[in-house]
Amino acid sequence: GAVVSQHPSRVICKSGTSVKIECRSLDFQATTMFWYRQFPKQSLMLMATSNEGSKATYEQGVEKDKFLINHASLTLSTLTVTSAHPEDSSFYICSGRGGNNYGYTFGSGTRLTVV
Amino acid sequence: AQSVTQLDSHVSVSEGTPVLLRCNYSSSYSPSLFWYVQHPNKGLQLLLKYTSAATLVKGINGFEAEFKKSETSFHLTKPSAHMSDAAEYFCVVSAPGGYQKVTFGTGTKLQVIP
Repeated sequence: GAVVSQHPSRVICKSGTSVKIECRSLDFQATTMFWYRQFPKQSLMLMATSNEGSKATYEQGVEKDKFLINHASLTLSTLTVTSAHPEDSSFYICSGRGGNNYGYTFGSGTRLTVV
Repeated sequence: AQSVTQLDSHVSVSEGTPVLLRCNYSSSYSPSLFWYVQHPNKGLQLLLKYTSAATLVKGINGFEAEFKKSETSFHLTKPSAHMSDAAEYFCVVSAPGGYQKVTFGTGTKLQVIP
């Protein structure tokens, strides 16, 4: 079945630094990639939607200059958290859709801790 | 517009007894519906999906769900709970067809008591 590989699984960074999270679709072409964040004991909230080769569409309240999304190829999308702060600490997860893959396939998630 | 309501934030069952996780949806079209499971500090795994075919959907690990349009429900069931079923479960709704946004329910934490 369709697989999305997400790295890193865990990252700890200092406040003010940037962190890049990668999602790769391994056996299908993800024309659309969704990025979510999940705060402790809460559900997943959509941050942005990206289509390959075009700018991402951000949900209301999500700072596009802080959460940079790149979807330059059909198999790779990245989320960069810039100038991270402790309140950015969260679980970030991507999902990809493309081709005959109509069921969303999720990556394994990234636990970001900003200290 | 679409939304999904998971009626129970926590469900506790004894090992070997049936599981029922409730989900109601609201949608202005005929939706696609999914159930995902998330184990602690892990990503989401698709259990099953309904995309306007058979209303009774069988998924992995013995789970199944029935789409009931008249009740706008998509409850998840399993005849006999196993300890490994303890996890968070999310009901998800999406517009039909591909490349649509999804909306997550708030999740139901399933506890399985030995």
